[in-house]
Amino acid sequence: QKEVEQNSGPLSVPEGAIASLNCTYSDRVSQSFFWYRQYSGKSPELIMSIYSNGDKEDGRFTAQLNKASQYVSLLIRDSQPSDSATYLCAVTVSGGGADGLTFGKGTHLIIQP
Amino acid sequence: DAGVIQSPRHEVTEMGQEVTLRCKPISGHDYLFWYRQTMMRGLELLIYFNNNVPIDDSGMPEDRFSAKMPNASFSTLKIQPSEPRDSAVYFCASGQGGNTIYFGEGSWLTVV
Repeated sequence: QKEVEQNSGPLSVPEGAIASLNCTYSDRVSQSFFWYRQYSGKSPELIMSIYSNGDKEDGRFTAQLNKASQYVSLLIRDSQPSDSATYLCAVTVSGGGADGLTFGKGTHLIIQP
Repeated sequence: DAGVIQSPRHEVTEMGQEVTLRCKPISGHDYLFWYRQTMMRGLELLIYFNNNVPIDDSGMPEDRFSAKMPNASFSTLKIQPSEPRDSAVYFCASGQGGNTIYFGEGSWLTVV
Protein backbone atom coordinates (compact mmCIF):
# COMPACT_ATOMS: atom_id res chain seq x y z
CA GLN A 1 0.00 0.00 0.00
CA LYS A 2 1.50 3.27 -1.11
CA GLU A 3 1.38 6.00 1.49
CA VAL A 4 2.21 9.66 1.22
CA GLU A 5 2.39 11.61 4.45
CA GLN A 6 2.14 15.34 4.95
CA ASN A 7 1.63 17.54 7.98
CA SER A 8 -1.91 18.85 7.64
CA GLY A 9 -1.08 22.22 9.18
CA PRO A 10 -2.15 24.92 9.08
CA LEU A 11 1.30 26.27 8.43
CA SER A 12 1.35 30.02 8.97
CA VAL A 13 4.13 32.04 7.32
CA PRO A 14 4.54 35.83 7.21
CA GLU A 15 4.44 37.50 3.82
CA GLY A 16 7.85 37.65 2.20
CA ALA A 17 9.26 34.74 4.16
CA ILE A 18 10.14 31.24 2.93
CA ALA A 19 7.44 28.58 3.27
CA SER A 20 8.74 25.03 3.63
CA LEU A 21 6.42 22.11 2.94
CA ASN A 22 7.43 18.52 3.54
CA CYS A 23 6.32 15.10 2.37
CA THR A 24 7.43 11.52 2.96
CA TYR A 25 6.45 8.45 0.96
CA SER A 26 6.52 4.76 1.70
CA ASP A 27 7.04 3.07 -1.67
CA ARG A 28 10.75 2.87 -2.45
CA VAL A 29 10.12 2.24 -6.14
CA SER A 30 8.43 5.60 -6.58
CA GLN A 31 9.97 7.41 -9.52
CA SER A 32 8.08 10.64 -10.04
CA PHE A 33 7.08 13.30 -7.58
CA PHE A 34 4.70 16.21 -7.90
CA TRP A 35 3.44 19.18 -5.97
CA TYR A 36 -0.09 20.37 -6.62
CA ARG A 37 -1.73 23.49 -5.27
CA GLN A 38 -5.43 23.48 -4.45
CA TYR A 39 -7.38 26.59 -3.60
CA SER A 40 -10.52 26.13 -1.54
CA GLY A 41 -13.35 24.89 -3.73
CA LYS A 42 -11.10 24.41 -6.75
CA SER A 43 -9.33 21.52 -8.42
CA PRO A 44 -5.66 20.64 -7.92
CA GLU A 45 -3.21 22.31 -10.28
CA LEU A 46 0.34 21.18 -10.90
CA ILE A 47 3.07 23.56 -9.80
CA MET A 48 6.21 21.38 -9.75
CA SER A 49 7.45 17.97 -10.78
CA ILE A 50 10.77 16.35 -9.85
CA TYR A 51 12.28 13.03 -10.88
CA SER A 52 15.92 13.08 -9.75
CA ASN A 53 17.61 13.60 -6.43
CA GLY A 54 18.51 17.19 -5.69
CA ASP A 55 16.85 20.53 -6.22
CA LYS A 56 14.70 21.85 -9.03
CA GLU A 57 13.87 25.53 -9.20
CA ASP A 58 11.03 27.24 -11.02
CA GLY A 59 10.58 30.90 -10.21
CA ARG A 60 9.81 31.27 -6.52
CA PHE A 61 9.35 27.51 -6.12
CA THR A 62 12.05 24.93 -5.38
CA ALA A 63 11.34 21.23 -5.13
CA GLN A 64 13.82 19.02 -3.31
CA LEU A 65 14.02 15.24 -3.56
CA ASN A 66 15.96 12.75 -1.45
CA LYS A 67 15.11 9.21 -2.55
CA ALA A 68 17.34 7.60 0.07
CA SER A 69 15.33 9.29 2.80
CA GLN A 70 12.07 9.01 0.82
CA TYR A 71 11.53 12.69 1.32
CA VAL A 72 10.24 15.47 -0.91
CA SER A 73 9.93 19.12 -0.04
CA LEU A 74 8.69 22.34 -1.59
CA LEU A 75 10.10 25.74 -0.77
CA ILE A 76 8.23 28.90 -1.65
CA ARG A 77 10.39 32.02 -1.53
CA ASP A 78 9.03 35.52 -1.03
CA SER A 79 5.66 34.10 0.04
CA GLN A 80 2.62 36.04 -1.11
CA PRO A 81 -0.94 36.01 0.27
CA SER A 82 -1.99 34.44 -3.05
CA ASP A 83 0.13 31.41 -2.11
CA SER A 84 -2.36 30.60 0.65
CA ALA A 85 -3.78 27.24 -0.36
CA THR A 86 -3.52 23.53 0.34
CA TYR A 87 -0.42 21.92 -1.14
CA LEU A 88 -0.67 18.29 -2.16
CA CYS A 89 2.30 16.01 -2.58
CA ALA A 90 1.84 13.19 -5.10
CA VAL A 91 3.98 10.25 -6.15
CA THR A 92 3.87 7.57 -8.81
CA VAL A 93 5.97 4.55 -9.61
CA SER A 94 5.94 5.26 -13.34
CA GLY A 95 7.96 7.82 -15.23
CA GLY A 96 4.99 10.14 -15.19
CA GLY A 97 1.38 9.91 -14.11
CA ALA A 98 0.63 6.87 -16.22
CA ASP A 99 -0.35 4.63 -13.33
CA GLY A 100 -2.18 7.32 -11.43
CA LEU A 101 -0.87 9.49 -8.66
CA THR A 102 -1.02 8.71 -4.97
CA PHE A 103 -1.68 11.91 -3.05
CA GLY A 104 -0.99 13.01 0.47
CA LYS A 105 -3.81 14.71 2.33
CA GLY A 106 -2.16 18.07 1.89
CA THR A 107 -0.72 20.88 3.98
CA HIS A 108 -2.83 23.97 4.49
CA LEU A 109 -0.58 27.01 4.05
CA ILE A 110 -1.56 30.47 5.25
CA ILE A 111 0.52 33.48 4.26
CA GLN A 112 -0.11 36.30 6.68
CA PRO A 113 0.10 39.85 5.25
CA ASP B 1 -7.95 24.69 -25.46
CA ALA B 2 -10.77 23.30 -23.39
CA GLY B 3 -9.74 21.52 -20.25
CA VAL B 4 -11.29 18.46 -18.67
CA ILE B 5 -15.03 19.01 -18.53
CA GLN B 6 -17.15 17.43 -15.83
CA SER B 7 -20.88 17.41 -15.24
CA PRO B 8 -22.85 17.98 -13.17
CA ARG B 9 -20.87 20.45 -11.10
CA HIS B 10 -23.16 20.01 -8.12
CA GLU B 11 -25.64 17.29 -7.33
CA VAL B 12 -27.83 16.67 -4.34
CA THR B 13 -29.63 13.35 -4.31
CA GLU B 14 -31.48 11.13 -1.92
CA MET B 15 -30.04 7.95 -0.53
CA GLY B 16 -30.79 5.00 -2.77
CA GLN B 17 -30.89 7.00 -5.98
CA GLU B 18 -28.60 6.39 -8.92
CA VAL B 19 -25.95 9.03 -9.60
CA THR B 20 -24.10 9.40 -12.89
CA LEU B 21 -21.10 11.67 -13.19
CA ARG B 22 -19.73 12.56 -16.60
CA CYS B 23 -16.33 13.52 -17.93
CA LYS B 24 -14.92 14.73 -21.22
CA PRO B 25 -11.11 14.48 -21.21
CA ILE B 26 -8.76 16.80 -23.01
CA SER B 27 -8.64 15.89 -26.70
CA GLY B 28 -5.68 13.66 -27.52
CA HIS B 29 -5.12 12.45 -23.96
CA ASP B 30 -4.94 8.68 -23.69
CA TYR B 31 -5.24 8.36 -19.90
CA LEU B 32 -8.31 9.15 -17.86
CA PHE B 33 -8.53 9.02 -14.08
CA TRP B 34 -11.38 9.23 -11.58
CA TYR B 35 -10.51 10.53 -8.11
CA ARG B 36 -12.63 11.14 -5.02
CA GLN B 37 -11.77 13.77 -2.41
CA THR B 38 -13.03 13.95 1.16
CA MET B 39 -11.71 15.73 4.21
CA MET B 40 -11.10 12.44 5.99
CA ARG B 41 -9.40 10.47 3.23
CA GLY B 42 -8.01 13.15 0.92
CA LEU B 43 -7.70 12.45 -2.81
CA GLU B 44 -8.16 8.79 -3.65
CA LEU B 45 -7.70 7.20 -7.05
CA LEU B 46 -10.79 5.18 -7.90
CA ILE B 47 -10.05 3.88 -11.39
CA TYR B 48 -8.07 4.78 -14.46
CA PHE B 49 -8.30 4.03 -18.18
CA ASN B 50 -5.70 3.86 -20.92
CA ASN B 51 -6.99 4.12 -24.47
CA ASN B 52 -10.53 3.58 -23.15
CA VAL B 53 -9.61 0.33 -21.39
CA PRO B 54 -9.89 0.12 -17.59
CA ILE B 55 -6.41 -0.62 -16.22
CA ASP B 56 -6.78 -0.50 -12.46
CA ASP B 57 -10.07 -0.34 -10.57
CA SER B 58 -8.67 -1.44 -7.22
CA GLY B 59 -9.63 1.91 -5.72
CA MET B 60 -13.33 1.51 -6.46
CA PRO B 61 -14.85 1.22 -3.00
CA GLU B 62 -17.49 -1.41 -3.70
CA ASP B 63 -19.81 -2.89 -6.26
CA ARG B 64 -22.11 0.09 -6.06
CA PHE B 65 -19.52 2.00 -8.07
CA SER B 66 -18.93 1.44 -11.77
CA ALA B 67 -17.10 3.35 -14.48
CA LYS B 68 -17.13 3.19 -18.24
CA MET B 69 -15.31 4.83 -21.10
CA PRO B 70 -17.17 4.01 -24.31
CA ASN B 71 -14.95 6.25 -26.42
CA ALA B 72 -11.94 8.52 -26.19
CA SER B 73 -13.98 11.61 -25.42
CA PHE B 74 -16.39 10.43 -22.75
CA SER B 75 -16.42 8.60 -19.44
CA THR B 76 -18.99 8.02 -16.71
CA LEU B 77 -18.81 7.13 -13.05
CA LYS B 78 -22.01 5.65 -11.71
CA ILE B 79 -23.09 5.04 -8.13
CA GLN B 80 -26.10 2.81 -7.62
CA PRO B 81 -27.56 2.90 -5.02
CA SER B 82 -26.03 6.01 -3.51
CA GLU B 83 -25.38 6.35 0.23
CA PRO B 84 -24.64 9.39 2.42
CA ARG B 85 -21.02 8.25 2.83
CA ASP B 86 -20.56 8.71 -0.91
CA SER B 87 -20.80 12.46 -0.43
CA ALA B 88 -17.55 13.88 -1.76
CA VAL B 89 -15.99 15.79 -4.62
CA TYR B 90 -15.35 13.55 -7.60
CA PHE B 91 -12.59 14.66 -9.94
CA CYS B 92 -11.89 13.46 -13.42
CA ALA B 93 -8.38 13.97 -14.77
CA SER B 94 -6.67 13.20 -18.06
CA GLY B 95 -3.12 12.92 -19.30
CA GLN B 96 -1.08 11.92 -22.31
CA GLY B 97 1.54 9.20 -22.42
CA GLY B 98 2.22 9.17 -18.73
CA ASN B 99 2.94 12.88 -18.50
CA THR B 100 1.30 15.55 -16.40
CA ILE B 101 -2.34 14.94 -15.57
CA TYR B 102 -4.89 17.74 -15.59
CA PHE B 103 -7.94 17.86 -13.37
CA GLY B 104 -11.47 18.91 -14.16
CA GLU B 105 -13.31 21.26 -11.84
CA GLY B 106 -14.97 18.40 -10.01
CA SER B 107 -18.48 17.19 -9.32
CA TRP B 108 -19.69 18.01 -5.81
CA LEU B 109 -21.99 15.20 -4.68
CA THR B 110 -24.20 15.33 -1.62
CA VAL B 111 -26.30 12.30 -0.74
CA VAL B 112 -28.97 12.99 1.87
